[in-house]
Amino acid sequence: AQSVSQHNHHVILSEAASLELGCNYSYGGTVNLFWYVQYPGQHLQLLLKYFSGDPLVKGIKGFEAEFIKSKFSFNLRKPSVQWSDTAEYFCAVNPSRSMDSSYKLIFGSGTRLLVRP
Amino acid sequence: NAGVTQTPKFRVLKTGQSMTLLCAQDMNHEYMYWYRQDPGMGLRLIHYSVGEGTTAKGEVPDGYNVSRLKKQNFLLGLESAAPSQTSVYFCASSYSEFRGGHGYTFGSGTRLTVV
Repeated sequence: AQSVSQHNHHVILSEAASLELGCNYSYGGTVNLFWYVQYPGQHLQLLLKYFSGDPLVKGIKGFEAEFIKSKFSFNLRKPSVQWSDTAEYFCAVNPSRSMDSSYKLIFGSGTRLLVRP
Repeated sequence: NAGVTQTPKFRVLKTGQSMTLLCAQDMNHEYMYWYRQDPGMGLRLIHYSVGEGTTAKGEVPDGYNVSRLKKQNFLLGLESAAPSQTSVYFCASSYSEFRGGHGYTFGSGTRLTVV
């Protein structure tokens, strides 16, 4: 079955530290890839996305992600985190050519990031 | 502001009671979705709809029913609530294709507690 794995469930960092959150997926065909962020008490918001082209994608608030097709990975990075980045981060995959999945997103289990001042 | 609106935001039910969650979107999206979010399990798809009058089962449909009588509304019903349905419910909508890179637009969620 198609799945999305986020290996880090909880991450604690100090401000200015660098961040990398892992995301791996199991689908072998063409995929669209997303990272969503959920700030405390809020709904999910799109952070960045990859559809095609340059595998290094830049999103909002200084986040970026790199698509490595050979590793089925789409890791999220930020060079220097801030206290305001405290949130839960979700990786999601859309198997874009799948007849069955159409436009559904398959979400990972999420990574809770706590940034200490 | 354009977006996805969910009502109610909070609800406490007794086991066996019924309720309906309403989702409304004003972006003319074809597709609508209901997810539940539980700690450590991410978002799991309950039901979805690819257009007015159509619905389909997602990953965890048992105990829920849905209806999409109008394009802009997607209702989620619990006929006989159980404690296992305590969760945060999110509605989302999207175009039929992720054109221009649009993904999902999410509502603000409904926190449901079944006692």
